[in-house]
Formats: sequence, structure tokens, C-alpha cells
Amino acid sequence: GAGVSQSPRYKVAKRGQDVALRCDPISGHVSLFWYQQALGQGPEFLTYFQNEAQLDKSGLPSDRFFAERPEGSVSTLKIQRTQQEDSAVYLCASSSSRLAGTDTQYFGPGTRLTVL
Amino acid sequence: DQQVKQNSPSLSVQEGRISILNCDYTNSMFDYFLWYKKYPAEGPTFLISISSIKDKNEDGRFTVFLNKSAKHLSLHIVPSQPGDSAVYFCAAKLRYGNKLVFGAGTILRVKS
Repeated sequence: GAGVSQSPRYKVAKRGQDVALRCDPISGHVSLFWYQQALGQGPEFLTYFQNEAQLDKSGLPSDRFFAERPEGSVSTLKIQRTQQEDSAVYLCASSSSRLAGTDTQYFGPGTRLTVL
Repeated sequence: DQQVKQNSPSLSVQEGRISILNCDYTNSMFDYFLWYKKYPAEGPTFLISISSIKDKNEDGRFTVFLNKSAKHLSLHIVPSQPGDSAVYFCAAKLRYGNKLVFGAGTILRVKS
């Protein structure tokens, strides 16, 4: 595809439910990032993959959050036992470089998660 | 601990005039800075970037200035157009890392 796509675009969950958010990066992009954006704030880093390897998960807020990218392309962010404070927009970004350089990250449209 | 700060939540500018959006940072290990633009219900779109070895980068109507001693950068849009109305995020990357650290954003409204 031409850009990063995410699904679903909107998700409403009852507190305690598990959710799975999908990201399709730009074809051939090596690096993939997940960010969380609360209302009125900038995106905050959650985790980073280089191909299928999760190299940084320092931003995951709790062990209820889990991300995977098993084949080095599509990624899934899973949140178990959702809480109201998990309500946010979850953004996925990809970039072509595996180097810690100046490569631009391209963002998807995000998934807006609302936990009731 | 906000390492990247955008102290102006909003800015209103007349069409054709200059828009200046500001950003301050605290971590001297940031070596690359970016500006993203975001429309409602869309993801952030890359606008322009600057490396810490430069003090200016220009792309069409957009110019980013970096003042390392003041740990300050700004985005100038000249001339401003109604289609520039959006939320603008400043972001920074550490020298040895890949993740971006974002400011809270500034809402720009360009009035026609």
C-alpha cells in the first residue's frame, strides 16, 4: 500500500476486555514503532521493532501491553484487561532504515480506543 | 518530565502572514528534530526536519531554525494559507536511539 494502515480505526471496549490493534507498515520498511496519544497531548513512544525483533519496549506502560511483529511486516499491539486510562489514540509508524539515523517515521491514521 | 515543550497551545494568523511556531527542549543529547502536521482523524504527517549540525533548513514555504545554545527551535510558515490550519507537533530524536519524543502540539488557525 501507499502508506501505513491501521485497523480498526475505532474500537470501543468494556473495562476488562482484551483488544488487538493491527498495523500494516509501508512495504519494505524495516523499522516499526507504536505510540500512544492521549487527548490534548503529543504521541508517546511505546515500543520499537527492527524487522521481527522488538528492540525497545521501554514505553509500554504495564505488562498488560504486548506487541509483536512475527514476520517482520504486520504488527499487532495487544492490551489485556483494558482499563479506562488506556483510552487513547494508538499510532503506528514505520521507517525504512535500520540505522539510528535521520530516517523519517511515517505514521498511520491511528486507532482510537475508548474503554468504558 | 517533558523533554520537548510547545508552550503555546494555539496560534491564530491571518492568511498571507507569517506563522511562527516555537519549541523548546531540555535534553542536549537530542541530535535530530522534526515537525509534523496533524489534521483531525488523521495521523501526523512529516513536514520538515533539521539535524543538530545545522541551524536552518528550508523547504518551500516552511523553514525550521535551530538555536542549540538556547535549546530552541522554531517553524516559520510564509505565507500562511488556510490549508495550513492543523495541529503542529515538534519532535526530537536522541543521538543513540530511534524513538521520537514529541511536544504537546500547537493548534494553528489561519484565517482567510
